Amino acid sequence: AQKVTQAQTEISVVEKEDVTLDCVYETRDTTYYLFWYKQPPSGELVFLIRRNSFDEQNEISGRYSWNFQKSTSSFNFTITASQVVDSAVYFCALSDPTQGGSEKLVFGKGMKLTVNP
Amino acid sequence: DSGVTQTPKHLITATGQRVTLRCSPRSGDLSVYWYQQSLDQGLQFLIQYYNGEERAKGNILERFSAQQFPDLHSELNLSSLELGDSALYFCASSVQVSSYNEQFFGPGTRLTVL
Repeated sequence: AQKVTQAQTEISVVEKEDVTLDCVYETRDTTYYLFWYKQPPSGELVFLIRRNSFDEQNEISGRYSWNFQKSTSSFNFTITASQVVDSAVYFCALSDPTQGGSEKLVFGKGMKLTVNP
Repeated sequence: DSGVTQTPKHLITATGQRVTLRCSPRSGDLSVYWYQQSLDQGLQFLIQYYNGEERAKGNILERFSAQQFPDLHSELNLSSLELGDSALYFCASSVQVSSYNEQFFGPGTRLTVL
């Protein structure tokens, strides 16, 4: 069965600190997709990144970077020089089209990040 | 703004009642998903429609039902409401049936059952 584990439930940092959000996933298939979403206090879910299982290149987008390691089934997210606006709940999600034929997302429990000034 | 709209934004009702949540996907998106976010269960997939047809069901209660109309908007009907149904209900849409396509989420409908 598909499963996404975000072991950290809550992290609090001071502005400008770097922070890494861990995500470990389980799936039986070789083709799958991984996502990160951000949920700010306003409540909406904002798409951050998509990665397919064949692309293990790390990705950097501004202060955000992602490290995908298939060998450890991990897809970690690092925020460099965190800012107060980064305060949100971050969700890692897995989509496995071969499981039940649906493109549904399986989400982790989320990790609440608080960045203090 | 994701382009996905949901109404109403907030809904307060009593146990035993029935409510309808509405979702309009992004222009051109054929696939609609419904998710429930609650404190104890987290974010859970409920049901998916593609171009008017049900494509997949997740942890959706029998008291809940959904449909997608010819204009592609979708409605989620919740009946015989219980206190435990209080949650944030999200609708998401994607271009087509493909896990490659990211799902764009609406702002959610917060349901409070008293």
